[in-house]
Amino acid sequence: DGGITQSPKYLFRKEGQNVTLSCEQNLNHDAMYWYRQDPGQGLRLIYYSQIVNDFQKGDIAEGYSVSREKKESFPLTVTSAQKNPTAFYLCASSNRGRTDTQYFGPGTRLTVL
Amino acid sequence: AQSVTQPDIHITVSEGASLELRCNYSYGATPYLFWYVQSPGQGLQLLLKYFSGDTLVQGIKGFEAEFKRSQSSFNLRKPSVHWSDAAEYFCAVKYGGSQGNLIFGKGTKLSVKP
Repeated sequence: DGGITQSPKYLFRKEGQNVTLSCEQNLNHDAMYWYRQDPGQGLRLIYYSQIVNDFQKGDIAEGYSVSREKKESFPLTVTSAQKNPTAFYLCASSNRGRTDTQYFGPGTRLTVL
Repeated sequence: AQSVTQPDIHITVSEGASLELRCNYSYGATPYLFWYVQSPGQGLQLLLKYFSGDTLVQGIKGFEAEFKRSQSSFNLRKPSVHWSDAAEYFCAVKYGGSQGNLIFGKGTKLSVKP
């Protein structure tokens, strides 16, 4: 089955620790995205990548980092510099055409203890 | 800044009643419009999308939406709601060009009364 997988589904972290969220897709999409979702806030774009070895900051990139070494993988690291990291994180992917549609993974809920 | 507004944070409807969820976007040339649905603790699922052509688009699960350029709106409708439609609904817009990113509304939570 083609799709997007995110792991783990639930993640707990102590303050001051970095943590990496996994996102893998087998849809052969060029573009991948990371969003943060907080209650009542909708989705906010953290980082996106249109092609391997290239990525761009979104609206709320501070305290996060990404890499894009393979087409199918786009891991997100939440660093200790992120002041309020507890949230639901969603990964998406799409083709790069003008009318491309983003497809979403199941999400990872990160809780800082 | 370009934005998407979903005026209703929470809507409750009775099962079998009709539904309309509102979405307004800020003016921009060539908007591409989307509606997604999210069940609690899950990812987003695409319901329908509008790129061009017929302004009334059909989606999955019996949903439809109408694009009205004069009102900058893309409202989602369903003639008869089922209990399984209870979820959160997000409207999103992307402006013309492959480099444009999706801009999401803050969502409308739908509750369904038996």
